[in-house]
Amino acid sequence: DTAVSQTPKYLVTQMGNDKSIKCEQNLGHDTMYWYKQDSKKFLKIMFSYNNKELIINETVPNRFSPKSPDKAHLNLHINSLELGDSAVYFCASSQPPGRGSYNEQFFGPGTRLTVL
Amino acid sequence: KNQVEQSPQSLIILEGKNCTLQCNYTVSPFSNLRWYKQDTGRGPVSLTIMTFSENTKSNGRYTATLDADTKQSSLHITASQLSDSASYICVVSGLGSSNTGKLIFGQGTTLQVKP
Repeated sequence: DTAVSQTPKYLVTQMGNDKSIKCEQNLGHDTMYWYKQDSKKFLKIMFSYNNKELIINETVPNRFSPKSPDKAHLNLHINSLELGDSAVYFCASSQPPGRGSYNEQFFGPGTRLTVL
Repeated sequence: KNQVEQSPQSLIILEGKNCTLQCNYTVSPFSNLRWYKQDTGRGPVSLTIMTFSENTKSNGRYTATLDADTKQSSLHITASQLSDSASYICVVSGLGSSNTGKLIFGQGTTLQVKP
């Protein structure tokens, strides 16, 4: 009965490789997000999709490409991994943001990516 | 620049004691402020959400306060338990961001409750 799930939980890979992280939510939400949490614990938004449409795209290298096959899934593909990509990546979902909406976001357990 | 700053960075208290965590923000215009609890190895979980018209909100032993004039918030934990050991993150949503869901996160306060 997990609300927001991510796979894998841990990912260790070599520099230059391409990897994907998957995210699924069963809350019936239309909006999904990807966040990066660095070593200083700051969470920063990377992308947001509303019903499969991109609505937030922060200044993220184009090596990062989100893909939303349907509104319950938002996967993150990373090409040519670099050492600085090592971090914990969190997926989240919410009802669509808008006037009057608190936009409460529900987070997944995170994927710890280590690039060697 | 929209920012959220928390203090202290870390805190150690004895089980059963109370504590208060602080959050100052410069996000404007302001929509709402929320406190999240993040256990080690897990994603953040929402504790409270407050709009500018709310100045206090409780969730069990957690009580959040908000002063929208001074742009300050606090999270008070009463009768702490070992399970309260976690990072507590203050998050602010601006009015413009209500259409995109973009949130501004503080760096968190790491709380350790010792027996």
